[in-house]
Amino acid sequence: AQSVTQLGSHVSVSEGALVLLRCNYSSSVPPYLFWYVQYPNQGLQLLLKYTTGATLVKGINGFEAEFKKSETSFHLTKPSAHMSDAAEYFCAVSDRWNAGNMLTFGGGTRLMVKP
Amino acid sequence: DTGVSQDPRHKITKRGQNVTFRCDPISEHNRLYWYRQTLGQGPEFLTYFQNEAQLEKSRLLSDRFSAERPKGSFSTLEIQRTEQGDSAMYLCASSSRDYEQFFGPGTRLTVL
Repeated sequence: AQSVTQLGSHVSVSEGALVLLRCNYSSSVPPYLFWYVQYPNQGLQLLLKYTTGATLVKGINGFEAEFKKSETSFHLTKPSAHMSDAAEYFCAVSDRWNAGNMLTFGGGTRLMVKP
Repeated sequence: DTGVSQDPRHKITKRGQNVTFRCDPISEHNRLYWYRQTLGQGPEFLTYFQNEAQLEKSRLLSDRFSAERPKGSFSTLEIQRTEQGDSAMYLCASSSRDYEQFFGPGTRLTVL
């Protein structure tokens, strides 16, 4: 079964600093890859996705992620953190061969931004 | 496009009671998903519909859980004889394409 690992359940950065949230997946066949953000008591909002093509994908709010097949990784970055980025971030995958495309999520990383 | 809506947003119930949640997907989305998210964890897949057909169910979906999507529009998730372990956020998502799912705000269930 597919699994997703997010290293670091909590990450704290200063406002203006680089944000790096790590995600590794287990599948030998590269899946579809996603990053979602969740604000308190809300649903999940899609930040960005990788399905095919260019391995560096840009998303909303200045976030981007790079798919690295050799490392089975899809780390999320943002050059300069803003206070409004404080939230829970989830990496998710879905298998290309599964018609239903159900998502498997990592455990999440809570991003805290210090002023 | 009003997004995915869920009702109620919060539900508090006593152990042993039945509860039902509703999800209204984005109009014309033919796929609908239910996920469960417990505190401090990522969401876990429960079940999936394509139109009115329930095509996949997770092992997490015990016999006490049932989901329907009559006429391929809104969906309901019912939990019978609730247990404290059912306390969680229940998330609904819909999709019209193979890989992009749009999530609702969730229903937070608390079982006392």
